Amino acid sequence: DQQVKQNSPSLSVQEGRISILNCDYTNSMFDYFLWYKKYPAEGPTFLISISSIKDKNEDGRFTVFLNKSAKHLSLHIVPSQPGDSAVYFCAATPLADYKLSFGAGTTVTVRA
Amino acid sequence: EPEVTQTPSHQVTQMGQEVILRCVPISNHLYFYWYRQILGQKVEFLVSFYNNEISEKSEIFDDQFSVERPDGSNFTLKIRSTKLEDSAMYFCASSDGTGFQDGYTFGSGTRLTVV
Repeated sequence: DQQVKQNSPSLSVQEGRISILNCDYTNSMFDYFLWYKKYPAEGPTFLISISSIKDKNEDGRFTVFLNKSAKHLSLHIVPSQPGDSAVYFCAATPLADYKLSFGAGTTVTVRA
Repeated sequence: EPEVTQTPSHQVTQMGQEVILRCVPISNHLYFYWYRQILGQKVEFLVSFYNNEISEKSEIFDDQFSVERPDGSNFTLKIRSTKLEDSAMYFCASSDGTGFQDGYTFGSGTRLTVV
């Protein structure tokens, strides 16, 4: 299933700086896009979502941008904190079936 | 904050044995899901369950897999005859079905090791 792609397996960023995570998708039927954060030995934790009718959604330090024409979304974390070090998954779903398709994940390391 | 609870956290089983993975979804949620993540691979959808029946399933979810909501609180995944390639983290999730503003809630997972 290659419908959702995260092409950067890892990202290292200095504390206080911006982390930008990217995600591309191929299925034009996706209605909702979500970002999840995952620590080792835990389940994915929901961070933020965006509907396909919007191009931006913001929640505290997290902002998701959606470019439908490019089938691309990104997650911005500002400022990055050491506790943000985790694996971040992009996911997408058509509302018709509530089934999430996940990207492979990007491991973020925030350096002090 | 409400949680999805999964037990056991780790299960080791012999190839060919049956296993049952258990989940307690959030109490007012109506939609239930199983996902799995083989080590080093993507999180993959297995099955969704609503109104006491399967609503969607993936090609992974073959006849060896079944799900059940035996009572008002538990949601189980059964693998009848485990294979080595079933070794993975299995995640249960639930949602209230009102949309994705708050995403699904995932449990912490069960690590299944088939030997």
